[in-house]
This record gives sequence, structure tokens and C-alpha cells, in this order.
Amino acid sequence: GAGVSQTPSNKVTEKGKYVELRCDPISGHTALYWYRQSLGQGPEFLIYFQGTGAADDSGLPNDRFFAVRPEGSVSTLKIQRTERGDSAVYLCASSLFPSGAQSVYEQYFGPGTRLTVT
Amino acid sequence: TQLLEQSPQFLSIQEGENLTVYCNSSSVFSSLQWYRQEPGEGPVLLVTVVTGGEVKKLKRLTFQFGDARKDSSLHITAAQPGDTGLYLCAGPNNAGNMLTFGGGTRLMVKP
Repeated sequence: GAGVSQTPSNKVTEKGKYVELRCDPISGHTALYWYRQSLGQGPEFLIYFQGTGAADDSGLPNDRFFAVRPEGSVSTLKIQRTERGDSAVYLCASSLFPSGAQSVYEQYFGPGTRLTVT
Repeated sequence: TQLLEQSPQFLSIQEGENLTVYCNSSSVFSSLQWYRQEPGEGPVLLVTVVTGGEVKKLKRLTFQFGDARKDSSLHITAAQPGDTGLYLCAGPNNAGNMLTFGGGTRLMVKP
């Protein structure tokens, strides 16, 4: 596909359940990012992958959140024991390898997964 | 922590009017980006400004980066209903591995 795809587009789950959100990045993009966007707010950084490894997971709110990217392409964001406060749109983005010395880089975003915890 | 504040949060105007949206920070950014997001979609990059004082134009949209690289503005001339959406500014951290977003300005242009 031409762009970043995310599945499912909508997910409704009960409090306490486990959910997995999937992201397919643009082919050839080595960097992958997860963000969370609450209603009426801008996206907030969760985690960044460079290849298969999580290079920066400082945005994950607590240990109920975990993400993997085992083959350096598709990524899965996993949330255990979901809480109502986890309800948000979870956005995935990908980019070519960003360099600290490079001041300009573009992230391409998927349409997001809207998670509702009841 | 680098923070970006956008104003106004909401803006409702008539077709044909002009408007300016602001993005401010107390931190210096190496660059700032402006995104537009429509309901049910992810943000789409409009422009990146890199040099202090830089002005970029994209049709009826004019973007400016402050001289001190702490703020930016987006000016829309003769707004159209198709401009309706959420406008977000964002800046990279020093490592370039994450973006900090402002809270967004939700624009509605009425025909």
C-alpha cells in the first residue's frame, strides 16, 4: 500500500480486557512511531522504533502498555488490563531514518485506531 | 520538556475571511511543522519551517517561523469551507526521534 495502515479502525472493549492494535508502515521506512490522541488534543508521543528495537519508549504511560516490531516492519501496540482512561485514538507513523543532526524529517501518519474502553 | 501552545483553540469564520493561527513555545526548536487533520484521519504534513524568520507559502496559506525559532504562525487568506479541519504545529526533539505537538486549532469555515 501507499500509506500507513492501521487495524482495526475502531475497537470497543470492556475495562480490564487486553487489546492489540496493529500498524503497517510505509515500505522501506525504518522508523516507526506510536502516538495517542485524546479528544480535543494534539497527539502525544508513546514509543519510537528504529528497526526492530524500541529506541525510545519514554512516552508509554505505564507498564500496561507494550509495543513490538519483531521483523522491523509491522508493529503491534499491546495494552493490558485496559482502563476507561485509555480511550483515545492511537496513531501510528513511519518515516525514513531520522538523524539528530538532521533538522527536517517527515512522519507519515496512519488513520488511527479509535479505542473505546467501556 | 518542550511544550507548544496553540491559539486560538477554536475558530469559526465565514468563507472569504482571513485568519491567523499561532504556535508558541518557551523552547527553541530546530524546525517546526504544521499538520492538518480531518476527522477519522491522521495528521497530514503541510509544511516544515527550518530557518528563523523563514516564510513559506502554500497557495492561500502562509507560514512563518519566528526569528528566535520559538514560535510560528499560519495565516490563511480568503478561507474556504475546504480549509475546515484541525491544524497542528509540531516540533522535533533534539534527537529527532519524536514530535511534540501543540493542542491544535480547530477551524470551521462556513459557506
